[in-house]
Formats: sequence, C-alpha cells, structure tokens
Amino acid sequence: EAAVTQSPRNKVAVTGGKVTLSCNQTNNHNNMYWYRQDTGHGLRLIHYSYGAGSTEKGDIPDGYKASRPSQENFSLILELATPSQTSVYFCASGGPGNNNQAPLFGEGTRLSVL
Amino acid sequence: QQKVQQSPESLIVPEGGMASLNCTSSDRNVDYFWWYRQHSGKSPKMLMSIFSNGEKEEGRFTVHLNKASLHTSLHIRDSQPSDSALYLCAASKNTGNYKYVFGAGTRLKVIA
Repeated sequence: EAAVTQSPRNKVAVTGGKVTLSCNQTNNHNNMYWYRQDTGHGLRLIHYSYGAGSTEKGDIPDGYKASRPSQENFSLILELATPSQTSVYFCASGGPGNNNQAPLFGEGTRLSVL
Repeated sequence: QQKVQQSPESLIVPEGGMASLNCTSSDRNVDYFWWYRQHSGKSPKMLMSIFSNGEKEEGRFTVHLNKASLHTSLHIRDSQPSDSALYLCAASKNTGNYKYVFGAGTRLKVIA
C-alpha cells in the first residue's frame, strides 16, 4: 500500500536551533514536496524534488533547506529556527510525471518554535 | 498572491443541501486540477481530479472544468455533516517537472 511517513510527528524547538523534518515514501514516486499549512493560507509549497539529488525552491523557501539523498527520502532543514516557522508541515509524493497519480500526503509534523 | 484562488473562504449548508465550491488558476501553464478534502487534524486526501473540459461525477460529488478560463468547481449534493472539512484545490501541469500549487481552501460546514 502506498505510504508517506513523516517523522517526528510533533517537535518543540528553541529559537536559533536546528530542526530536521524527515519524510520517507515507499511508492517509488519521482516527485516529493514539502508544504506548510497555516490558518488562512492553505498549503504553501516550500521545496520540492524531481528525484534523488534534486531540490527546487517552492513559493516560500526562505529559511528552509531541503535534501533528497535517495528516491525514498526527502528532508526539510531549518538551520536557524524562528517562531514564525511554527506551523504544521506536510510531505507529499506523486503528481504528474508519476502516471498522474494524485500526490499522497503524510500525516504531518506539528512544529513549535519557542 | 496565490496563483490558485478559491471561493468562498467558508460555506455553511444545511444537511441534505448542495455545496458549491470554486477554484481558478491565474497560471496559464496549468492543465490539471485536483480537489482534496482535509478533516480537522488530518492530512489532505484526494477527492477528485479533472484534466479535460466538462464534467465528472462520482457519487454525490461532481466536478466541472473550463480550461479556457482555468476554472474548476466542486459540487456536493445531499451534503452530510461528515462532509464538513477544508476543501483544497490544486493545479499542476501535465509534466513531471512542475510544482504542485494549492489554493487557501474553502471551509465547509454542514449543519444538521
């Protein structure tokens, strides 16, 4: 069964600290995405990837880095976390280029930066 | 400014009523549209997709697409309290090398 797994599910970080959010998919999808969701903004695209070794900037990349070391794994890195990065983060895999399969979302990571 | 605009922001309909949600892309490169439903505290789940002009029906859900205006709409008939959720529209191009952009969503509440 297709799956996208995010870890951790919840994270509390301190301002200025480094945070890494991980995403693993077992769907053999080329495309993977990182979004954040805040009330009133829907899902906003942070970074995405077309395959291992590739990362692309989305609509709100400032303050975030991404890494795609393999087909299965896609990480989102906050080098210097700030309170404005408190949000719910979703990873997804799939979409056009993957036989038009709708992107499948993970369960989300709730991040609080204090 | 988001390239995918959804309206209304929120909608209240009585149980058994019809809910109509709208979505328009300002990016003329897109040609695929997707509707997702997200219940509170959960992740988005794909509800329907539409790639061709016209209408597509699945049970109580009907989606329309006008490619010329890049407008899609989702209609839910016989709305149920369990349909209460955030409905998200996404647009993309028919190629692997294209980002997948969502609107801000329409929050639907179905009251008994």
